[in-house]
Amino acid sequence: AQTVTQSQPEMSVQEAETVTLSCTYDTSESDYYLFWYKQPPSRQMILVIRQEAYKQQNATENRFSVNFQKAAKSFSLKISDSQLGDAAMYFCAYRSPYTSGTYKYIFGTGTRLKVLA
Amino acid sequence: EAQVTQNPRYLITVTGKKLTVTCSQNMNHEYMSWYRQDPGLGLRQIYYSMNVEVTDKGDVPEGYKVSRKEKRNFPLILESPSPNQTSLYFCASSFLGGGSTDTQYFGPGTRLTVL
Repeated sequence: AQTVTQSQPEMSVQEAETVTLSCTYDTSESDYYLFWYKQPPSRQMILVIRQEAYKQQNATENRFSVNFQKAAKSFSLKISDSQLGDAAMYFCAYRSPYTSGTYKYIFGTGTRLKVLA
Repeated sequence: EAQVTQNPRYLITVTGKKLTVTCSQNMNHEYMSWYRQDPGLGLRQIYYSMNVEVTDKGDVPEGYKVSRKEKRNFPLILESPSPNQTSLYFCASSFLGGGSTDTQYFGPGTRLTVL
């Protein structure tokens, strides 16, 4: 069975600095999808970034980028130029490919990010 | 406006009293899913559906039922709620397949307390 591990329950970063959130996963599949979701105090779940396992290039979305290491099964999120609005809970998630027939999502336990002014 | 709606948003009930949490989406998505969120455990998938009349278990299906009779609706049923089902529940939907079209849209959440 697939698992997703976020080993940092909480992290802090100074405004305008860079922070990296860690995520590791375990799977026997070669094709899959990885996601980072943001959950601000409003509890709304917001997709930050996604990565297809077959793509070697790391995904980027403005100030957010990932370091995807397939062999190491690692998927970290880097937030550059941190802003107060980045303060939230961040969840890493794994999804089986559509072709697997299961289409299940596995989420990590989350990392709470605090941004210090 | 594209959205996933859940009702009710808040519910306090007692052990054993059957309840249904509704979920509806207006984006013609094939895929719909229910999650529960508990402190320290993240989100865990309860059930999901890849199309009308097609449902499958997630990681924590015990004590829950679902049905998908219409594409837009995916209700979550608790036949006999127990206190360990006190949680924050999210419904989500998306298109199937790869590419950015499979982005999940989440509902606003339902806070359920079972006394």
